[in-house]
Amino acid sequence: ILNVEQSPQSLHVQEGDSTNFTCSFPSSNFYALHWYRWETAKSPEALFVMTLNGDEKKKGRISATLNTKEGYSYLYIKGSQPEDSATYLCALMTTDSWGKLQFGAGTQVVVTP
Amino acid sequence: DAGITQSPRYKITETGRQVTLMCHQTWSHSYMFWYRQDLGHGLRLIYYSAAADITDKGEVPDGYVVSRSKTENFPLTLESATRSQTSVYFCASSEVAGRTDTQYFGPGTRLTVL
Repeated sequence: ILNVEQSPQSLHVQEGDSTNFTCSFPSSNFYALHWYRWETAKSPEALFVMTLNGDEKKKGRISATLNTKEGYSYLYIKGSQPEDSATYLCALMTTDSWGKLQFGAGTQVVVTP
Repeated sequence: DAGITQSPRYKITETGRQVTLMCHQTWSHSYMFWYRQDLGHGLRLIYYSAAADITDKGEVPDGYVVSRSKTENFPLTLESATRSQTSVYFCASSEVAGRTDTQYFGPGTRLTVL
């Protein structure tokens, strides 16, 4: 069982502010890191898949970076909006767990107007 | 409507009873997964399947049984439900299971074991 940790567990952001949070994982046997967005009462939906050290992905106001050597990924939300309120999950795939994802516990983001 | 569906969406049962949660996908995805979501643990993999008649254990398989006789269906059975199996269960599928293949999740089944 891999130790995928996300911090903080939750955060509150004022509308218009930017924020970021972290996913940490063991750097050995890295294969891919997936980010999912999970809105309340809905199902998790894929945001990004990151595979290379130094990868940067962007989707609208949300972006992510990856450092496989030190074992972390940051997710950034620029100019947060209430519709960004969700739990953001990261999930690790390693070379010896091919096809299986180990999820972190998530960071819950609440954006208040 | 195409996609991945789960039934029932809510289930209350008693300790010791057998319960089956259904999962159906219309994409003909090869891989299917069952997760449980518990506070503080995120999503934990129970079982997964690479194709019809091919299944394997995940992180927390004890007390669960799966089968996959058809590509589109992946039922999860709790043979003798316990209170610790009270959880929200999510089914997911992916076309294959390569490093960049995202998983598509069903709406979840909230199971309460009394």
